[in-house]
Amino acid sequence: AIQLTQSPSSLSASVGDRVTISCRASQGISGALAWYQQKPGKAPKLLIYAASSLDSGVPSRFSGSGSGADFTLTISSLQPEDFATYYCQQFNSYPPTFGGGTKVEIK
Amino acid sequence: QVQLQQSGPGLVRPSQTLSLTCAISGDSVSTNSAAWNWIRQSPSRGLEWLGRTYYRSKWYNYYAVSVKSRITINPDTSKNQFSLQLNSVTPEDTAVYYCARESPNWGFFDYWGQGTLVTVSS
Repeated sequence: AIQLTQSPSSLSASVGDRVTISCRASQGISGALAWYQQKPGKAPKLLIYAASSLDSGVPSRFSGSGSGADFTLTISSLQPEDFATYYCQQFNSYPPTFGGGTKVEIK
Repeated sequence: QVQLQQSGPGLVRPSQTLSLTCAISGDSVSTNSAAWNWIRQSPSRGLEWLGRTYYRSKWYNYYAVSVKSRITINPDTSKNQFSLQLNSVTPEDTAVYYCARESPNWGFFDYWGQGTLVTVSS
């Protein structure tokens, strides 16, 4: 199975900061990567699919980039509602796998 | 708008069977494009995909290697839902279980159930 390594595992940031989260795959996955946001007690919510396509209704401050094995999620200006844990997921090959998560906390 | 509503017990005894159901609204379990998945989340295992069922002129099922000998996912077309059965559970199966729709013709999960915390304990 393809392993996804996210970094950092946690970060502290302030409202208005630019935040970047990395996701590295153990082998190339083309652009078959999704990003999710999860808040405590809730299910993950899809933010981005196919590495850079924003899901419907997701604010434009979220963006994704990358291809091959290295991907990035960027939040251009962190808002109070963005404090959460973020996960990447690959769907290039079965089984689908998830990264370990990055927790974004308030500084 | 697709909605997934999970139901099932939150406590299961060791060696017994975990059973959960996911009722679908806004789509059909028999759709020829999406697939219907179960995923669990625990502190030790993170987010772990368990398996899926889907219809493409006939029914298909795929399961994670880690649970393949113990898992069954079944569609119920009469009630437009699908179910998870996990046999011979141990405390390591304690987790939040989610059902999720796999987006049509892709492989990411665009709709999720609310999650069910299942604790395996005597």
